[in-house]
Amino acid sequence: DAMVIQNPRYQVTQFGKPVTLSCSQTLNHNVMYWYQQKSSQAPKLLFHYYDKDFNNEADTPDNFQSRRPNTSFCFLDIRSPGLGDAAMYLCATSRGGQPTDTQYFGPGTRLTVL
Amino acid sequence: AQSVAQPEDQVNVAEGNPLTVKCTYSVSGNPYLFWYVQYPNRGLQFLLKYITGDNLVKGSYGFEAEFNKSQTSFHLKKPSALVSDSALYFCAVRDINDYKLSFGAGTTVTVRA
Repeated sequence: DAMVIQNPRYQVTQFGKPVTLSCSQTLNHNVMYWYQQKSSQAPKLLFHYYDKDFNNEADTPDNFQSRRPNTSFCFLDIRSPGLGDAAMYLCATSRGGQPTDTQYFGPGTRLTVL
Repeated sequence: AQSVAQPEDQVNVAEGNPLTVKCTYSVSGNPYLFWYVQYPNRGLQFLLKYITGDNLVKGSYGFEAEFNKSQTSFHLKKPSALVSDSALYFCAVRDINDYKLSFGAGTTVTVRA
């Protein structure tokens, strides 16, 4: 089945130690998104890629970066995680950037910062 | 600017009873409306969306939603709730001028046996 896959599902890191979260998709979608979700709150968009074009949200901390080496994969890098970065990180994809396009989410990676 | 309100933090229903989760929206143009469900420690699962056409939209797992333009609402409904429907539900909206999905705060649904 076509899907959005996130690895690992659970990640524990230490304060200040860089961490990378991975997302892959078999949907062949053009757009990939990264969201941060805290404590069952609404997901907060961090950034997205339309193909190779990177779009950063204005309020996304510089500590967060992303890479998309090819259509299928997208990575979220947290350079120096703080305690406040502990959250669920959700990857999503959509076929295009049209407002009618559905976003499909992966299962998420829960990040714990010690 | 676009926004979504989910006026109820929690909805509690008995199994077999109808379930309604409320959502109202605000957009500058035509709304594109979505419902997602999230189970504990899982990602969001797409349930249904309204783009245009029939105001009653049918989706996954027996859910449906009714678009009401005059009341700017898009309430999610299920005629007969199951215990397995217990989850966190998010309404979201986009308008034609914005690539971003705006999510509501979410409604926790508990269906008791």
